[in-house]
Amino acid sequence: AQTVTQSQPEMSVQEAETVTLSCTYDTSESDYYLFWYKQPPSRQMILVIRQEAYKQQNATENRFSVNFQKAAKSFSLKISDSQLGDAAMYFCAYRSSPQGGSEKLVFGKGTKLTVNP
Amino acid sequence: EAQVTQNPRYLITVTGKKLTVTCSQNMNHEYMSWYRQDPGLGLRQIYYSMNVEVTDKGDVPEGYKVSRKEKRNFPLILESPSPNQTSLYFCASTYRLNSPLHFGNGTRLTVT
Repeated sequence: AQTVTQSQPEMSVQEAETVTLSCTYDTSESDYYLFWYKQPPSRQMILVIRQEAYKQQNATENRFSVNFQKAAKSFSLKISDSQLGDAAMYFCAYRSSPQGGSEKLVFGKGTKLTVNP
Repeated sequence: EAQVTQNPRYLITVTGKKLTVTCSQNMNHEYMSWYRQDPGLGLRQIYYSMNVEVTDKGDVPEGYKVSRKEKRNFPLILESPSPNQTSLYFCASTYRLNSPLHFGNGTRLTVT
């Protein structure tokens, strides 16, 4: 079964600085999808960024980018120019491809990010 | 507006009193699922449904039931709630499995 590990329960960053949240996963599949979700205090789950495993290019969404290392099974999230509104719980998630494997979406345990003014 | 609607947002109940948390989506999504979120454990899948009348167990299905009689609705049923089911519950849906999930706003359930 696939597992997702977020080794940093909590992280903090100064406003305008850059922070990287780590995520590793375990799978025997070659095709899959990876996601980062953000959960602010409102507890709403918001998609931050997604990555298809077959794409070598790292995904980028404005100030958010990933460092996807397929061989190392690593999927870290980099937040540049951190803003107070980035303070939230961040979840890394794994999903198998539609062609095979489980239909489950497996989440990590989350990293709580604090942004200091 | 495309959305997943969960009700209620907050629910306090007593052990053994049957309850239902409703979930409805207006995006014609085939895939729907339920998760529970607990501190230090992240989100864990309870049940999911690939289409009408097709449901399957997730990682923590014990004590829960679901049904998918219509495409838009996927209620979560607790026949006899217990205190260990106190949690934050999320319903989610998606059109395709490689697409991001659309989440509801969550239901905070407390069982005393």
